[in-house]
Amino acid sequence: AQSVTQLGSHVSVSEGALVLLRCNYSSSVPPYLFWYVQYPNQGLQLLLKYTTGATLVKGINGFEAEFKKSETSFHLTKPSAHMSDAAEYFCAVTGGFKTIFGAGTRLFVKA
Amino acid sequence: KAGVTQTPRYLIKTRGQQVTLSCSPISGHRSVSWYQQTPGQGLQFLFEYFSETQRNKGNFPGRFSGRQFSNSRSEMNVSTLELGDSALYLCASSLAQGGYGYTFGSGTRLTVV
Repeated sequence: AQSVTQLGSHVSVSEGALVLLRCNYSSSVPPYLFWYVQYPNQGLQLLLKYTTGATLVKGINGFEAEFKKSETSFHLTKPSAHMSDAAEYFCAVTGGFKTIFGAGTRLFVKA
Repeated sequence: KAGVTQTPRYLIKTRGQQVTLSCSPISGHRSVSWYQQTPGQGLQFLFEYFSETQRNKGNFPGRFSGRQFSNSRSEMNVSTLELGDSALYLCASSLAQGGYGYTFGSGTRLTVV
């Protein structure tokens, strides 16, 4: 069985500051891990994914995430926040024929 | 390349009615998954289809059903609607489950009154 925990339902940063969104997972099989972003009134868009190989994965819009097996974590980061990054972010884990999503973290970016 | 198309975008139904939602996946994608999104429960997995076969199902009552056609298009049906069924229903397509990731449609916003 898989589960995902996103720490913090809301995160607020200033424009230009580091973005860090936290995700911890559990999985009974080697996981595939994903981050998605959702803008208002839209579906989710894939930001990046970890399958195998390099544990630091880069995605779109300057985001990256690091898979840490020992910590069962897959935190999302971006060095410098932009106003357009304001959205809701979802971490997800796939095992078998099902993908489980975390509860989401809403990112606010202050000017 | 066309994206995932969900129809209709918005729907208002009365309690007790039934509703059918449609999803056309990206060409070549054979896996279609459905999710219910609400503010209180987040994204809840409904079911996943691959080549017309339901391979997994979430913890929803039997009022929620779905199917997939030979062209990979999928429909989900909710019978005897309840107020609590009001939600954004999202369809996601993928080449297959596993490490491919999803492409989501914009969703169908269902309001039950």
